[in-house]
Amino acid sequence: DAGVIQSPRHEVTEMGQEVTLRCKPISGHNSLFWYRQTMMRGLELLIYFNNNVPIDDSGMPEDRFSAKMPNASFSTLKIQPSEPRDSAVYFCASSLNEYNEQFFGPGTRLTVL
Amino acid sequence: DQQVKQNSPSLSVQEGRISILNCDYTNSMFDYFLWYKKYPAEGPTFLISISSIKDKNEDGRFTVFLNKSAKHLSLHIVPSQPGDSAVYFCAASELAGTYKYIFGTGTRLKVLA
Repeated sequence: DAGVIQSPRHEVTEMGQEVTLRCKPISGHNSLFWYRQTMMRGLELLIYFNNNVPIDDSGMPEDRFSAKMPNASFSTLKIQPSEPRDSAVYFCASSLNEYNEQFFGPGTRLTVL
Repeated sequence: DQQVKQNSPSLSVQEGRISILNCDYTNSMFDYFLWYKKYPAEGPTFLISISSIKDKNEDGRFTVFLNKSAKHLSLHIVPSQPGDSAVYFCAASELAGTYKYIFGTGTRLKVLA
């Protein structure tokens, strides 16, 4: 099993640009999570999907952030427009369902200049 | 406000000795706690968990202790090995098995050979 796949692994962009992060969950997993990791706040849950439907987006910081899951094998997290304070590592995780262990991808390190 | 706090950003331990990583929480509703381990350029992986009905859970070299009255938990690694060098995240949730984990900021453990 390839595990959770994220792309790109690194992204450097300029303030104001649109950024799209991608995630392929483990096949057969019905739950998908997006997290953000910063030194100050640790790992924060941004949004949770179950069966491709967003269930909890209370962690999304503001309207500049949006996430979609068009099918069971793909999800995106978009930031538009990006700001320097969005610089962080963004992780995608998946699990069989919301009650099971979450498996994390390797993360995308985002730098907004 | 951080509900889960890991006040030591880093810790160095000699190989073969005990490593003790600490975590404090403020929310008395938390009743399930987890430790995740993260190597560089990889996502966090689940290590060990404990329910609030227990005060100790052991898995090989790893033991987690929970002190509910002090709202404190700790992870003991005995004996420590160089391969244990990683960032360790403490996490908590209000219900066992729920998806909503609140993570700490992590402690970087370095085990010296």
